Amino acid sequence: DAKTTQPTSMDCAEGRAANLPCNHSTISGNEYVYWYRQIHSQGPQYIIHGLKNNETNEMASLIITEDRKSSTLILPHATLRDTAVYYCIVLSAGGTSYGKLTFGQGTILTVHP
Amino acid sequence: GAVVSQHPSRVICKSGTSVKIECRSLDFQATTMFWYRQFPKQSLMLMATSNEGSKATYEQGVEKDKFLINHASLTLSTLTVTSAHPEDSSFYICSALGGGGETQYFGPGTRLLVL
Repeated sequence: DAKTTQPTSMDCAEGRAANLPCNHSTISGNEYVYWYRQIHSQGPQYIIHGLKNNETNEMASLIITEDRKSSTLILPHATLRDTAVYYCIVLSAGGTSYGKLTFGQGTILTVHP
Repeated sequence: GAVVSQHPSRVICKSGTSVKIECRSLDFQATTMFWYRQFPKQSLMLMATSNEGSKATYEQGVEKDKFLINHASLTLSTLTVTSAHPEDSSFYICSALGGGGETQYFGPGTRLLVL
């Protein structure tokens, strides 16, 4: 699976949009971009995933560049409860690595009052 | 939907004893479940892939005889840490592939402390 690069940490003011970038320049055509987050001492929570098109759900939006080499997770109105470690993961759609998530260090997002 | 539970949430045991952790998919069937381990201030590390009705596949460096995995039904996988030692103290997290087969949903984790 392709490796991802994320900033170590980011800050955001409560109520503002949080934009979390991720670079995945070696992504291949059948690999998805997944975002999870982990609040302290809990299991990771699925946020969103996409292949080529931008995606939106009740939690966030995922913007994938046209060349698919990078993406941005957008939390439109961050709250204090969004403080967590955010993981961007590239995942193969099939083959022997099917379903295997490789977690990097992620981005520590701190939302301030 | 897509809820995964783990039991127990926290366990303390003596060195040399065995500990069993259960992972259940509550509202979907999961032919594939995964077990992860997370040490303090580190990221999650995949330990093994558990497929219903077959032997688990372990990642390199994970002792299969120490970490016994059983996936006897489509909604339950268990991880048994045998002869636990203090260095096995960690946060153990399971996940299950959702009904559509694309997305993993994680349990809340089990914190193991071996004295």
